[in-house]
Amino acid sequence: QVQLVESGGGLVKPGGSLRLSCAASGFTFSDYYMSWIRQAPGKGLEWVSYISSSGSTIYYADSVKGRFTISRDNAKNSLYLQMNSLRAEDTAVYYCARGGQLTGMDVWGQGTTVTVSS
Amino acid sequence: SYVLTQPPSVSVAPGQTARITCGGNNIGSKSVHWYQQKPGQAPVLVVYDDSDRPSGIPERFSGSNSGNTATLTISRVEAGDEADYYCQVWDSSSDHHVVFGGGTKLTVL
Repeated sequence: QVQLVESGGGLVKPGGSLRLSCAASGFTFSDYYMSWIRQAPGKGLEWVSYISSSGSTIYYADSVKGRFTISRDNAKNSLYLQMNSLRAEDTAVYYCARGGQLTGMDVWGQGTTVTVSS
Repeated sequence: SYVLTQPPSVSVAPGQTARITCGGNNIGSKSVHWYQQKPGQAPVLVVYDDSDRPSGIPERFSGSNSGNTATLTISRVEAGDEADYYCQVWDSSSDHHVVFGGGTKLTVL
């Protein structure tokens, strides 16, 4: 079945780095835009970044631009988020989702938790 | 940057109709998507492109979009519809960003 599974979350100190992964299955990964969305504890959804099917088009939210890098490996059916210079305010559940520009996000992973704390 | 405004909460009795609004400047010119999120779960797309439903979503969920307001309508509300609901658009006009509304907590009385 169509599925997205995130991994790579954890506890990291301010200023540290973390790399999230999202493994896709059950659909032709290379046909779809993909996105990262986060949700801070008790807060709403916040879009982080999206990447086009080929990887040639990428956009970031202003809050993460210059610190986070989205990428994908279509041969491995995987999406990534490299997070550098992490701050306390980056603490959130991070979701990967299928879609992200014109289309709605119709498939979501279960999320992976990132905690930035000393 | 583009802003979407939702009421923080909406309450409705079982069997009645719930309407959740999403306000934005000329939002009628954009495609609006709606998500349902229950506690501890990932969001689920319930309406896309203003008024279309993904497979598996009950016909009780419908959407409309005109002028400066988009609306998610849930007919014959059930206890299981209690959740947070988020609207979302893609802002193609300036920075190509994806924008979410702040979310609306639907309470079934």
